[in-house]
Formats: sequence, C-alpha cells, structure tokens
Amino acid sequence: GQNIDQPTEMTATEGAIVQINCTYQTSGFNGLFWYQQHAGEAPTFLSYNVLDGLEEKGRFSSFLSRSKGYSYLLLKELQMKDSASYLCAPMDSNYQLIWGAGTKLIIKP
Amino acid sequence: IAGITQAPTSQILAAGRRMTLRCTQDMRHNAMYWYRQDLGLGLRLIHYSNTAGTTGKGEVPDGYSVSRANTDDFPLTLASAVPSQTSVYFCASSDSNQGYNEQFFGPGTRLTVL
Repeated sequence: GQNIDQPTEMTATEGAIVQINCTYQTSGFNGLFWYQQHAGEAPTFLSYNVLDGLEEKGRFSSFLSRSKGYSYLLLKELQMKDSASYLCAPMDSNYQLIWGAGTKLIIKP
Repeated sequence: IAGITQAPTSQILAAGRRMTLRCTQDMRHNAMYWYRQDLGLGLRLIHYSNTAGTTGKGEVPDGYSVSRANTDDFPLTLASAVPSQTSVYFCASSDSNQGYNEQFFGPGTRLTVL
C-alpha cells in the first residue's frame, strides 16, 4: 500500500531552524511536493524534488533521497508567519499526489 | 476570475438533502480534483478528471458524483448528504500533461451536515 509518515506536530522558536521529515512508500515515484497550509486556508506550493539532493529556495530548502524513501523540509530564520501545517506529497506512478496528514508547526517568540 | 474559485464558502445542510459544490478554474488546466480534509487526516481524493469529458474515482468516492462537461468547471454533488460528509472540501487543478503535477487549490468549502 501507499503510506506517508510525518510528525504530527513540532514546536520551534522564532529565528531558529527546523527540519520536518517525511518518509513515504508509494507505487512508483515521480517526484515529491511540499505544500504549506495556514489554518483555515488552502494548501499552497512550496517545493518540488524529483532528483536526489537539496533544493534551496530562500529560507526554505527541501531534500530528497529516493533510495531511502525520505524527504525533509528545512526552514531557516523562522518567522511567526511560518506557523502552519506542512504537507508532504509524493507523486505515484500514475502522477497522482499521495498526501500525508501534515505536520503542524508552532512558532514561539 | 483569477485562478480557481469555489462556491459556496460554507454551508449547513440537513441530512438527506442534495448539494452541489461548484468549482471553476481559468488556467486552462486539463486536470481537476476534489479532496476532503478532516482533522488529523491528510487530503483524501474523492474524484478526479484528467480531461474534459472523463472522470475517475479517488480514495473515497462513495456518496459523491462529479461531471466534467468542459475544461473550466468541475462540480461535486452529494446526492443525499450524511453527517459523515461534514468536512472541508477543496477543489484543485493542474496541468498534468507535463509530467509535473503541481496542483493549485481553491479556497475550500466548509460543509456541515446535520
């Protein structure tokens, strides 16, 4: 079957760095997305990885290891507005996104 | 219209009633999706459409139907609503023909079935 595993909730301090891990098992693999979702709002695209390695985009970076079925999202210089849920979504052999339950990130001053 | 819109924003519905949630996109995306999102669970795919005129069942299709008469619109119908269908419903679209399936989401419809 298909399975996504990410922590339910994490807490971090403003200005710090946090890493949100995601492990996955899918029927085939065509890349992995990370989305951000603020409470009461729609998910919005953050990053996409299809090859192994690190993709950096400003304060956010995303890493992929296809052989390990593992990805992480790294958020630097945390700001209060980064308080949100972060959704890991690998794409299976049919190019369908398989969604994890998300990690709720709480930022404290 | 810019992007993807949904209507209504929220709705309270009596059990047994019929309800259609509307979704419209202006990005000329070939693919459209309906998800439901419940607390503690990930987005669950209800139905999808890879192109106008075709639809497919997702993970949780029972009690829901869809149609895709044209590229822009993808309504979701609950024929006879039940309380377990209380959820937040998101419509999404993507240009899936490039092998890169970034999905763009509408603002959601919050549905309560009593």
